[in-house]
Amino acid sequence: SQTIHQWPATLVQPVGSPLSLECTVEGTSNPNLYWYRQAAGRGLQLLFYSVGIGQISSEVPQNLSASRPQDRQFILSSKKLLLSDSGFYLCAWRSFLMNTEAFFGQGTRLTVV
Amino acid sequence: GENVEQHPSTLSVQEGDSAVIKCTYSDSASNYFPWYKQELGKRPQLIIDIRSNVGEKKDQRIAVTLNKTAKHFSLHITETQPEDSAVYFCAAGKGGKSTFGDGTTLTVKP
Repeated sequence: SQTIHQWPATLVQPVGSPLSLECTVEGTSNPNLYWYRQAAGRGLQLLFYSVGIGQISSEVPQNLSASRPQDRQFILSSKKLLLSDSGFYLCAWRSFLMNTEAFFGQGTRLTVV
Repeated sequence: GENVEQHPSTLSVQEGDSAVIKCTYSDSASNYFPWYKQELGKRPQLIIDIRSNVGEKKDQRIAVTLNKTAKHFSLHITETQPEDSAVYFCAAGKGGKSTFGDGTTLTVKP
C-alpha cells in the first residue's frame, strides 16, 4: 500500500528565517507530487507540482520554492520567511495516470512570528 | 486558468435531513471532479469523484451530479449524521492538476 509522510506537523519560525518542509511517498513509483497551502477558512491553493525528478511547476509567484531531488521526495523551501507565509501546508501525491484522487499528507501548521 | 466557486460557505442541517453543496467551474476542458472531506485538524480525504463522461454517481448516502453544459456539479448527502460534520471541498481538474473551491463547513445538529 502507498503512504505519504510529511513533517514536521507544527512549526513556529521567526520572520526572516529559512524553511524546509519535507514530504516522502512510499509504495508507488513516479508519482505526481503537489504542495498546497490552506489559509484559515479557505480552500487549497496549489503552490507547486512535479511530474518527475527535477521537474517543478510553480502556480503562484511567492516567497517559496520547491525541489524534487528523488522520485518520491518533495521539499518546500524558503530562504527568508514572511509573516504572510503562515498557514497549513499540505503535500499530496497522485498517480501519474492522472484523473485519480489525491492523497494528502498530515499537513504542517506553520506559524511565522 | 480554472476557477472554481463553491456554495454555500456554511451549511447547518438537522440530523436526518439532506445537504446539498454546489460548485461551478470555468474551464470546459476540466474532466475530473473530486469531493474531499476534511475533519478539523486533519488531512482532506476523497469521499467521491466523478469524471466528465458520467452525469451522476452514487455511493450509499453520498451522490454527485455533473452538468457539463452548465459547468456545475453538486454533492448530495442524504440522511445526514453528526459524523458528517466537516469541511467539504470540491475540485475541478485536468491533466493531473486540480483547482479547489473554498470549502463548505457542514454542521449536522443532533
